[in-house]
Amino acid sequence: DQQVKQNSPSLSVQEGRISILNCDYTNSMFDYFLWYKKYPAEGPTFLISISSIKDKNEDGRFTVFLNKSAKHLSLHIVPSQPGDSAVYFCAARSMRVGGNKLVFGAGTILRVKS
Amino acid sequence: DGGITQSPKYLFRKEGQNVTLSCEQNLNHDAMYWYRQDPGQGLRLIYYSQIVNDFQKGDIAEGYSVSREKKESFPLTVTSAQKNPTAFYLCASSYQEEQFFGPGTRLTVL
Repeated sequence: DQQVKQNSPSLSVQEGRISILNCDYTNSMFDYFLWYKKYPAEGPTFLISISSIKDKNEDGRFTVFLNKSAKHLSLHIVPSQPGDSAVYFCAARSMRVGGNKLVFGAGTILRVKS
Repeated sequence: DGGITQSPKYLFRKEGQNVTLSCEQNLNHDAMYWYRQDPGQGLRLIYYSQIVNDFQKGDIAEGYSVSREKKESFPLTVTSAQKNPTAFYLCASSYQEEQFFGPGTRLTVL
């Protein structure tokens, strides 16, 4: 039972344009969401997060939007740069159920073309 | 320079042998985690430990074992009972919500 789904395996975007990565979840108990970026043969690095009490969080070129009623979050990267090419994982946590355990989506491969 | 180290980066073993993957952190984090990543899949939790001398099974613990004798160290043993051990293994630690990951170990069983 996949509680966190990233339905797009890959996304290709032109440099300078916006990249939008999507994530859906099924567990209404999730209270915190994170995005990680991963290069091949390396560990994931934390990118940005959002608490369930907010609907938007921004950090430089990266913005995460949360729509709780739709159980959907998205990561916007503007402008996209070739160095953003990586796998992006969405993750979620339910403190009440799993403590700080994270549930990860399958990832989306982002390719930014120059 | 704080962080998480995993060694070795690449590991080859013959089928039927147990192998132990190392994970060390100097971030003073209480919680540590082991994940497995397979192609086209997300990170799946093998084991986690919230505190020294205590650990719990994750979603795919069968064929694996761990110990947590020191705060800094959380080694993972892949036993011969694990049916498909070839994978990329990631260790992480956390203080609060955010987990910090090591560089990973690629295990190949021949």
